[in-house]
Amino acid sequence: DIQMTQSPSSLSASVGDRVTITCRASQSITSYLNWYQQKPGRAPKVLIYAASSLQSEVPSRFSGSGSGTDFTLTISSLQPEDFATYYCQQSYTSPALTFGGGTKVEV
Amino acid sequence: QLQLHESGPGAVEPSETLSLTCNVSGGSISSSSYYWGWIRQPPGKGLEWIGNIYYSGSTSYNQSLKSRVTISVDTSKNQFSLKLSSVTAADTAVYYCASYYNVWISYYYFEKWGQGTLVTVSS
Repeated sequence: DIQMTQSPSSLSASVGDRVTITCRASQSITSYLNWYQQKPGRAPKVLIYAASSLQSEVPSRFSGSGSGTDFTLTISSLQPEDFATYYCQQSYTSPALTFGGGTKVEV
Repeated sequence: QLQLHESGPGAVEPSETLSLTCNVSGGSISSSSYYWGWIRQPPGKGLEWIGNIYYSGSTSYNQSLKSRVTISVDTSKNQFSLKLSSVTAADTAVYYCASYYNVWISYYYFEKWGQGTLVTVSS
């Protein structure tokens, strides 16, 4: 199985900050990497698919990059509604898949 | 607009079988663009993928749960189901169903999710 490791597991940030979250795969997954945002009590919502493609209606302050084993989700200017937990997910082995452990973005 | 909705008991006794159903509306479960998946989230913890099914009945399961999981599809009712046997307290979680969308070539992501249903394993 492909393991997905996110770092950090949590971070503190302020409105307006540039935030970067990292996801590392245990083997190359080329660009088969998705990012989700989850707010408390809500289902996750996809932000980025195929490593760098922005999902429709997702603000452009979110961006994804990387390929192979190392990936990054960047929020260019953190907004109040962005305080949430973020998960990466590999789709290289679809329909089987794996999620990362999550990164909680806190005030 | 595709919508998914989970239903089933909110409590299951240890060693029994957890059974949930996901009703799909606003689209056909027989669409070739989707797999249909179950994901769970223990309280305060991260997401764990349980398994996916295609409308043909082809399945893929998380290896760590494979011996206890069965996912099935009923195209006539536009729904798919999860059975998890021999449950313990560690299976207490919010269970989500979701559509795993083939956006292009072989790229997939979870596009739509149900609202989630909490299942507690307790005697």
